[in-house]
Amino acid sequence: EVQLVESGGGLVQPGGSLRLSCEASGFTFSSYWMTWVRQAPGKGLEWVANIRQDGNEKYYVDSLKGRFTISRDNAKNSLYLQMNSLRAEDTAVYYCAGNHNWRFDPWGQGTLVTVSS
Amino acid sequence: QSALTQPASVSGSPGQSITISCTGTSSDIGGYYYVSWYQQHPGKAPKLMIYDVSNRPSGVSNRFSGSKSGNTASLTISGLQAEDEADYYCCAYRGTTLSWLFGGGTKLTVL
Repeated sequence: EVQLVESGGGLVQPGGSLRLSCEASGFTFSSYWMTWVRQAPGKGLEWVANIRQDGNEKYYVDSLKGRFTISRDNAKNSLYLQMNSLRAEDTAVYYCAGNHNWRFDPWGQGTLVTVSS
Repeated sequence: QSALTQPASVSGSPGQSITISCTGTSSDIGGYYYVSWYQQHPGKAPKLMIYDVSNRPSGVSNRFSGSKSGNTASLTISGLQAEDEADYYCCAYRGTTLSWLFGGGTKLTVL
């Protein structure tokens, strides 16, 4: 069964850091570009970042550059998102997704990040 | 990066057809065939419904179809069913910034 499982979300204070993980199974993870997409409460989807199969090419939404870092470990079939200097507006459900052949599929179930004091 | 423009809501009765539009620019929708559509039910993850403007993944009903004209893409759902009630998002690649854009989402209500 194709599956992506995110973890690492939770409550963090403004200015704090958090590292999200996404573990893949059921497909050849190392063959996929991978992506993080977030969704603020009651809002739409926002593409955050993506990373090439070998991890050597990465792209970010302009508004997040410098605070978030995407990475991957193909040996562990895992994708990561290191989030620093978190702000209230970063509060969202964060989804990981495969970004293969110019579409997002599969998707994980999401992990909620809440930035609040 | 500005989001793609979708209507906030559309509605239709069971059995009817509806179309959701998604307007971008020549740098994204107008310049590439990398337009996809996602269905999201409340509290659930998005699900790929259409890719490359008009292609359906296996398992997606042929009641769902996509098209593009100029800078506007469209998703049409025919033979509306109660289970189609959900939020729908378009997505396109913007080559000038090597980024992906989502539309603001459209809430479909089946009356």
